[in-house]
Amino acid sequence: QSVLTQPPSVSGAPGQRVTISCTGRSSNIGAGYDVHWYQQLPATAPKLIIYGNTNRPSGVPDRFSGSKSGTSASLAITGLQAEDEADYYCQSFDSSLSGSVFGGGTKLTVL
Amino acid sequence: EVQLVESGGGLVQPGGSLRLSCVASGFTFSSYNMNWVRQAPGKGLEWVSYISYSSGSIYYADSVKGRFTISRDNVKSSLFLQMNSLRDEDTAVYYCARGGRYYVDGFDIWGQGTMATVSS
Repeated sequence: QSVLTQPPSVSGAPGQRVTISCTGRSSNIGAGYDVHWYQQLPATAPKLIIYGNTNRPSGVPDRFSGSKSGTSASLAITGLQAEDEADYYCQSFDSSLSGSVFGGGTKLTVL
Repeated sequence: EVQLVESGGGLVQPGGSLRLSCVASGFTFSSYNMNWVRQAPGKGLEWVSYISYSSGSIYYADSVKGRFTISRDNVKSSLFLQMNSLRDEDTAVYYCARGGRYYVDGFDIWGQGTMATVSS
């Protein structure tokens, strides 16, 4: 059971918009700690796509955006493309555990 | 090119030890905090350990505390993870990942990972 809760899977057709939620609690997201998002393509290492809740590293398309409110955060992907099919993970810091925590991951399927 | 390359994985029996290494290139290693993150087969990501740029701050996940030791050699731009008293549940791909300025920051650069298998 992961400290941060994500839906196991989401799907969408090419060109559509999908969102992936990440729900935490008062010791992590709710305490104001930043949320970061990673994309993991099959058989590859994770790649940072959103940091500090809403910021995109250089080279990440603006189709990817992040938001945060209260004890939850969301990743939105617009203009869905086949190459977006991957696993997505949220990450934050948890003060009660004194360490980083990840969500369980969400598998995105592009129909 | 900014790069992290892990090595040292392999097959070990329960109760055994492994020492993982991660060599950095393309950036000033001594200026960055570093982490180890693992991923069991078919499972999600799990943060394992953190070490600050100067080795002054070190943290571990409860699941490995007392068994794993993180260290670094800034002269050789290298990060290490000494894993002792290994258990079946430690079987995973182990990634080294570059942290940000603060402990709570995300990880912007990841290595390709090294597989550690604990099995009799």
